[in-house]
Amino acid sequence: DAGVIQSPRHEVTEMGQEVTLRCKPISGHDYLFWYRQTMMRGLELLIYFNNNVPIDDSGMPEDRFSAKMPNASFSTLKIQPSEPRDSAVYFCASRGGYTEAFFGQGTRLTVV
Amino acid sequence: GQQVMQIPQYQHVQEGEDFTTYCNSSTTLSNIQWYKQRPGGHPVFLIQLVKSGEVKKQKRLTFQFGEAKKNSSLHITATQTTDVGTYFCAGSGAGSYQLTFGKGTKLSVIP
Repeated sequence: DAGVIQSPRHEVTEMGQEVTLRCKPISGHDYLFWYRQTMMRGLELLIYFNNNVPIDDSGMPEDRFSAKMPNASFSTLKIQPSEPRDSAVYFCASRGGYTEAFFGQGTRLTVV
Repeated sequence: GQQVMQIPQYQHVQEGEDFTTYCNSSTTLSNIQWYKQRPGGHPVFLIQLVKSGEVKKQKRLTFQFGEAKKNSSLHITATQTTDVGTYFCAGSGAGSYQLTFGKGTKLSVIP
């Protein structure tokens, strides 16, 4: 398995534009997590899914953020409209039950 | 909600010195995991602790889980430049698969 795959690796966009981040979890993993990492706030859990169903989205900052998992092999995190304070590294991670979490390489988002 | 505090935030050590980072949870954990993130990289799993009072070793790294399952520590003996990075603890509450991360301890090793 190639591990957790995220795209794009880097994204630079203008304020107000829609941004879509993508994640392909490891096959067979039933949990998928989206994290945001900044210097100030560290690794924040945004949302996580179990078997494609959102379980806890209390970490999603506001209505501008939305996440979907239409099937077991794909998830998206969308920001619309984007703002400069959304600039961060966004990580997707997957795990099978209580095992270790495997992180993707991350998407570095810059909103100018 | 569950909170995981980690100290110190930064640690600078001379190569060969020891290093310890501490993790405290506001609630009892079912298990705790430790991760390492190299500069510019992504968090990579190191170990999981499940039992109260558990101690595990990986070469120069020693991991402990407190008796009350609310705190944990990572100790590195005789640091090397390859130990540079940020070390995170991540806890799960009882019956939860959610991983709550501490803010991490960034380790710098001066050769």
